Amino acid sequence: AIQMTQSPSSLSASVGDRVTITCRASQYIRYDLGWYQQKPGKAPELLISAASTLQSGVPSRFSGSGSRTDFTLTISSLQPEDFATYYCLQDYNYPWTFGQGTKVEIK
Amino acid sequence: EVQLVQSGAEVKKPGESLKISCKGSGYSFTNYWIGWVREMPGKGLEWMGIFHPGDSETRYSPSFQGQVTISADKSITTAYLQWNSLKASDTAMYFCARVRAASGPDGGWVGMDVWGQGTTVTVSS
Repeated sequence: AIQMTQSPSSLSASVGDRVTITCRASQYIRYDLGWYQQKPGKAPELLISAASTLQSGVPSRFSGSGSRTDFTLTISSLQPEDFATYYCLQDYNYPWTFGQGTKVEIK
Repeated sequence: EVQLVQSGAEVKKPGESLKISCKGSGYSFTNYWIGWVREMPGKGLEWMGIFHPGDSETRYSPSFQGQVTISADKSITTAYLQWNSLKASDTAMYFCARVRAASGPDGGWVGMDVWGQGTTVTVSS
């Protein structure tokens, strides 16, 4: 199975900060990667698909980039509602695999 | 409104069987896949598998193959996740999600774009 390595596993940031989360695949996955946000006790929410396609209704401060094995999720100006855990998910090969998650906390 | 509504929390004993459900509405149920994701207490998300209600094609993660069964009844637009013999280690939150395939020539997927609210399963003697 393809391993997805996310970094960092957690970070502390302030409102207004620029935040970058990375995900590295253990092998080529084209651009078949999504980013999900999960708040405690809630279902995940799809933010970005195909590495860089912003889902309808998702604020434009979220952006994704990358291809092949290296991917990035950027939050350009962190807002209070963005404190959550973020996961990448590769859907290039079965079994699909999640990264281990990045918890974004308030500094 | 497109939504997936999951069945309520379950408390079971080891060795018991269980079937939890995920009812889709507001979209063409047989045109999308349904995926299942596990979240164990304090842990991350794990992809369990996906199922296509239109033709019953199923893909399991090797970690869950043989441990669970994914199915659906398209006449009532409901997907299921089933265990024949629960273990304490099955204690977790389980989410269903609609999976959208990309429509372009390059294939691929759009992702898990609509999620159920989750079903808590507790297995304890």
